[in-house]
Amino acid sequence: GQSLEQPSEVTAVEGAIVQINCTYQTSGFYGLSWYQQHDGGAPTFLSYNALDGLEETGRFSSFLSRSDSYGYLLLQELQMKDSASYFCAVRKSSGDKLTFGTGTRLAVRP
Amino acid sequence: DAEITQSPRHKITETGRQVTLACHQTWNHNNMFWYRQDLGHGLRLIHYSYGVQDTNKGEVSDGYSVSRSNTEDLPLTLESAASSQTSVYFCASSGLSSSYNEQFFGPGTRLTVL
Repeated sequence: GQSLEQPSEVTAVEGAIVQINCTYQTSGFYGLSWYQQHDGGAPTFLSYNALDGLEETGRFSSFLSRSDSYGYLLLQELQMKDSASYFCAVRKSSGDKLTFGTGTRLAVRP
Repeated sequence: DAEITQSPRHKITETGRQVTLACHQTWNHNNMFWYRQDLGHGLRLIHYSYGVQDTNKGEVSDGYSVSRSNTEDLPLTLESAASSQTSVYFCASSGLSSSYNEQFFGPGTRLTVL
């Protein structure tokens, strides 16, 4: 089987930095994705890591360690609009099928 | 602009009825997916397709079916709706194994089974 674990809730202050961790157990691994979902909205793609290391896209960065079965999403210079749920998702094969974690709800406070 | 749409956006039905949720994408993507989202479970894969005439079961496929007769559409059918199928349903699509593995999601359908 496979499982992904991420914290259910995280709270941070506007302007701060927050890290959302994701650990996974899976047979077969191609890469780790991150998606953002605002309340009432659809998930939107943030990042994808297939290789170890840090990928940076503006204020958001994502890290992967394949040997540790671990990744994280780093959000810098937090803004109120970053309040949303964040999902990590594992890609197990060359196909695009994903298995999602249960999500981390981020609340950004003024 | 290319997009992915779902209809209806909201649906209320009764237990035992057959329900079909539509998904249409204009990205010309080969890959299409159906997920359900429930509190505490995140997004769970119901069925997926990697091309016309191809369909595959996901982790929660019981009670659901799909068919893929063209590239643009992947309708999801609930054969006999049950209260446990009350959920928000998302359709998604992706291109041929892009390096970023990005899936594009539709706006969702909120289904209530009474």
